[in-house]
Amino acid sequence: AQSVTQLDSHVSVSEGTPVLLRCNYSSSYSPSLFWYVQHPNKGLQLLLKYTSAATLVKGINGFEAEFKKSETSFHLTKPSAHMSDAAEYFCVVNDMRFGAGTRLTVKP
Amino acid sequence: ETGVTQSPTHLIKTRGQQVTLRCSSQSGHNTVSWYQQALGQGPQFIFQYYREEENGRGNFPPRFSGLQFPNYSSELNVNALELDDSALYLCASSLGLVLQSSYNEQFFGPGTRLTVL
Repeated sequence: AQSVTQLDSHVSVSEGTPVLLRCNYSSSYSPSLFWYVQHPNKGLQLLLKYTSAATLVKGINGFEAEFKKSETSFHLTKPSAHMSDAAEYFCVVNDMRFGAGTRLTVKP
Repeated sequence: ETGVTQSPTHLIKTRGQQVTLRCSSQSGHNTVSWYQQALGQGPQFIFQYYREEENGRGNFPPRFSGLQFPNYSSELNVNALELDDSALYLCASSLGLVLQSSYNEQFFGPGTRLTVL
């Protein structure tokens, strides 16, 4: 069985500070993992994906995520938040099973 | 290149009615997937169509059905609407199947917000 847990429903950071959005997964086989972003009134956009190649994955807009098998985690990070990063973020495992989402707020 | 489009943008129905939602795939894509996103939750996979055939289905009852046309556009039909069907319905297109090991990147439309009263 596959499942994904996003550990924070809401994260608030100040502009220019680091972003950390946490995701843990469960999979009965080697997983494929993804992060999507959803801005209001816009479609979901793929940020990055892990498909058993390098464990550190770089995505668009300065985001990256690290696959840690021992911790069954795939946390999303960004060194410096921008106002335009404010959105809903979803971690996804294997058969497009989505987490509940983390809402990122960026304060000026 | 045209992205994924969905119609209508918003829709209000009453319990027991039937609804049809429409999706136009991105140019060249032969696979369409449908998702239901309830308020405050992540999208849930409904089903996927590949070359006009259903190929994979999530945990949704038979009153959720779909069609894919030769031009790869798609419809989602929901019969006997229930209050819990109120949600944002997302369509995504891809070049090939996206289930499990056969991953292909999906491109999502903006969604149709359905309200059932």
